[in-house]
Amino acid sequence: GENVEQHPSTLSVQEGDSAVIKCTYSDSASNYFPWYKQELGKRPQLIIDIRSNVGEKKDQRIAVTLNKTAKHFSLHITETQPEDSAVYFCAARYSSASKIIFGSGTRLSIRP
Amino acid sequence: DVKVTQSSRYLVKRTGEKVFLECVQDMDHENMFWYRQDPGLGLRLIYFSYDVKMKEKGDIPEGYSVSREKKERFSLILESASTNQTSMYLCASRTVQGDSYGYTFGSGTRLTVV
Repeated sequence: GENVEQHPSTLSVQEGDSAVIKCTYSDSASNYFPWYKQELGKRPQLIIDIRSNVGEKKDQRIAVTLNKTAKHFSLHITETQPEDSAVYFCAARYSSASKIIFGSGTRLSIRP
Repeated sequence: DVKVTQSSRYLVKRTGEKVFLECVQDMDHENMFWYRQDPGLGLRLIYFSYDVKMKEKGDIPEGYSVSREKKERFSLILESASTNQTSMYLCASRTVQGDSYGYTFGSGTRLTVV
C-alpha cells in the first residue's frame, strides 16, 4: 500500500555542519513531495517542496533532491544553526487522492 | 495570523466519554484533514473531507467519526474515548485552487484519556 519511510529517526549534528534526511516512497505515480518542520510545541510548517518534474530545488540553506527512478527524496540543510533543531517530516502526495502520506519524522538536534 | 484554529490545546477526558474536537479554517479551503501524531509513528491520517458534507476514511478511522456541515468547520468525534486514543491531534486544510498542494496545520489538541 501507500507508504513513506523516513530515516534517520534522530540526528545530531555539530552547528555549522550539514544534515541530511532521507525518505522513500512506494507509489511511482506520486508527484508532489513536501517537507515540514515542527518546532517543539508548535504546528508543522511547510519549509520546502518539490514536484516530480524537477530533480532538485534550493531555498537558501535548504535543498531537496528527488530521484524518481529509485523513489527516494532527501532534505539537505547546510551550515546548520541552533534554530534548525526540530522534528522534520517528509511526505508524498499519492496520485490517487488529494491526501498526502507522512514519514515518521526525524528529530534533528544541533550541538553548539 | 492564525488561519487554522483548533478549539482546545489540551483536553483530559474519561474512558467512555464522547469527545468532540473542533477545527475551523478561515481560508475558504475545500479540503480538511484530521491527523494524530504519536512518537515514532509520524502523522497518521484519521479522516479527511474533500468539501462540505463529504468525508472519507483515512488510514486509522476506527473509533472516530467526523462531521463537515459547513465549509470552514471540520469536527472529529471520538464516539467512546479509550486510553489508546491519548494522542496529539492535528487538523489541516488545503485549497484545490491553483497548483499548490501545501497543507496549513492547526496548533494541535493534546488529548489525554484517563
